Amino acid sequence: GEDVEQSLFLSVREGDSSVINCTYTDSSSTYLYWYKQEPGAGLQLLTYIFSNMDMKQDQRLTVLLNKKDKHLSLRIADTQTGDSAIYFCAESAMNSGYSTLTFGKGTMLLVSP
Amino acid sequence: KAGVTQTPRYLIKTRGQQVTLSCSPISGHRSVSWYQQTPGQGLQFLFEYFSETQRNKGNFPGRFSGRQFSNSRSEMNVSTLELGDSALYLCASSSIPGTGGEAFFGQGTRLTVV
Repeated sequence: GEDVEQSLFLSVREGDSSVINCTYTDSSSTYLYWYKQEPGAGLQLLTYIFSNMDMKQDQRLTVLLNKKDKHLSLRIADTQTGDSAIYFCAESAMNSGYSTLTFGKGTMLLVSP
Repeated sequence: KAGVTQTPRYLIKTRGQQVTLSCSPISGHRSVSWYQQTPGQGLQFLFEYFSETQRNKGNFPGRFSGRQFSNSRSEMNVSTLELGDSALYLCASSSIPGTGGEAFFGQGTRLTVV
């Protein structure tokens, strides 16, 4: 079955870059997503990458995809205290003929001033 | 464009009761998916509806059910509540079935079973 793994915690200082890593197992994944969840809130879609791409950049966010190693990363440049949240990696994988999102357990990013 | 709206935001129920949660997707979106989020299990897929039909179902007992109306609004129902059903229930809408496109989440309904 599908499995998405993420490290649980990352701490950085304001202004530094943050890199959150994710590995997945389903080679048939078509899309890979990054979501952000702030305390008491739902999930906010940050960005996604199609499986035939290697990289996608969107302002301060850079997504890198290594399909061979099934490794996905999210880089946040010039990290701000407002970026403190839990970040979820998710893959779109087939389940009984239909695609569903499978999430990692989330990485808590703590940004200190 | 209004986002995904889930009601109520918070609920407290006692064991054995039943509960109904509501989700209104983004206007024009016909696919609604439901997820359960708990600290131990993370985010787990419950089911997906598209055009009033359940397309896919996760590995949850039959106490969990749902439906979708002709205006794409969806409800999920949990009967005979157990303490372990305490969770944040999230709804996501997308314009096409499955997750080939972007899925947008509501803020969730926090259910506490006592």
